[in-house]
Amino acid sequence: DAKTTQPNSMESNEEEPVHLPCNHSTISGTDYIHWYRQLPSQGPEYVIHGLTSNVNNRMASLAIAEDRKSSTLILHRATLRDAAVYYCILGPNNNDMRFGAGTRLTVKP
Amino acid sequence: GAGVSQSPRYKVAKRGQDVALRCDPISGHVSLFWYQQALGQGPEFLTYFQNEAQLDKSGLPSDRFFAERPEGSVSTLKIQRTQQEDSAVYLCASSPGQGANTEAFFGQGTRLTVV
Repeated sequence: DAKTTQPNSMESNEEEPVHLPCNHSTISGTDYIHWYRQLPSQGPEYVIHGLTSNVNNRMASLAIAEDRKSSTLILHRATLRDAAVYYCILGPNNNDMRFGAGTRLTVKP
Repeated sequence: GAGVSQSPRYKVAKRGQDVALRCDPISGHVSLFWYQQALGQGPEFLTYFQNEAQLDKSGLPSDRFFAERPEGSVSTLKIQRTQQEDSAVYLCASSPGQGANTEAFFGQGTRLTVV
């Protein structure tokens, strides 16, 4: 199974952009890159996903490296409600959705 | 529309007791997943259903764990003879399709404490 590597933790100031990196050097051609986040005492929440091209939605942007061996989740203006654990996951199929330890994002007011 | 619903939200079981955890997925969702999340860890995959078929149960930690989805909608995760190491949050997720180009919706989980 393709694995991902993320920093354990990151800090950001409120209303500033946040770039959350993910390395996935063994990604296969059919693997989608998914991002989920988990707020305290909640189940994980979908953020965004993509295959090759950069993606934007109302929550975030996903920048995918040209060789697809890394990607970056971008929160354009962090708010206190964005404090969560962010998971980068690879999968050709949903049943291969394995979570790692994720990145714990702290947002400072 | 309702999201994924799990019940009970909290369960305390005495060691050796059997427990059953229920998941009501979003109506019409084909795929259903169960995860186990220990304190401070990421969710660990347990099992996956496509409709009523259990296609992957490789994550079930022992034969004390059993999951079913007999009519392709509601699913039950059963743990027999609970042990203290079974204490965790059990998460259920559903998604409308089976491919990777779709999102999964998670419930709030059931927190199981074995005493």
